[in-house]
Amino acid sequence: DSGVTQTPKHLITATGQRVTLRCSPRSGDLSVYWYQQSLDQGLQFLIQYYNGEERAKGNILERFSAQQFPDLHSELNLSSLELGDSALYFCASSPQGVQDRKQTQYFGPGTRLLVL
Amino acid sequence: KNQVEQSPQSLIILEGKNCTLQCNYTVSPFSNLRWYKQDTGRGPVSLTIMTFSENTKSNGRYTATLDADTKQSSLHITASQLSDSASYICVVISSGGSYIPTFGRGTSLIVHP
Repeated sequence: DSGVTQTPKHLITATGQRVTLRCSPRSGDLSVYWYQQSLDQGLQFLIQYYNGEERAKGNILERFSAQQFPDLHSELNLSSLELGDSALYFCASSPQGVQDRKQTQYFGPGTRLLVL
Repeated sequence: KNQVEQSPQSLIILEGKNCTLQCNYTVSPFSNLRWYKQDTGRGPVSLTIMTFSENTKSNGRYTATLDADTKQSSLHITASQLSDSASYICVVISSGGSYIPTFGRGTSLIVHP
């Protein structure tokens, strides 16, 4: 158990809908990262938040958005869902935000999203 | 373009045997290289993190090496166990102010009894 929690574990929805994925980082960790893992593209970095502020942005679509709240939990919002958005979405956390240093990331169990 | 290539794509070995997984990268500028183990349907777990000055890093039966000159890394697994069956992912982080990871597609390892 990494200490990172994600809800829900599974989500089934229809195209065009909007969903929210939730992540609670390990106690004391200030950074939260979101990743998408699909069969055809592998793991992709979406976005990082540090202590409530966006710190780095990866291959995140405009239909997707995220935020980190004062209690440090984070939410990933996916809207206008398409079939291709079906994937595993992971959240990870680390203690600090300077990511070109040796910061171990702890991954949550993921949310499996299926868009029908 | 930053790229991370892993080989082989998949590997089957017998329990107790050793194996070596490869990772070649073209990421620049380089900050650090990470190896993760990912069991099917679960989140990746960090095995090792190496910076430019580190040639080798061990974590139990896992030993990672890094050759920054040739931009190659390897992950050696000693005395494999059934629980080693998983996907092993190499990730290279670029240096700079932002977190910029480039992921390999992973090597799928199956350990047979």
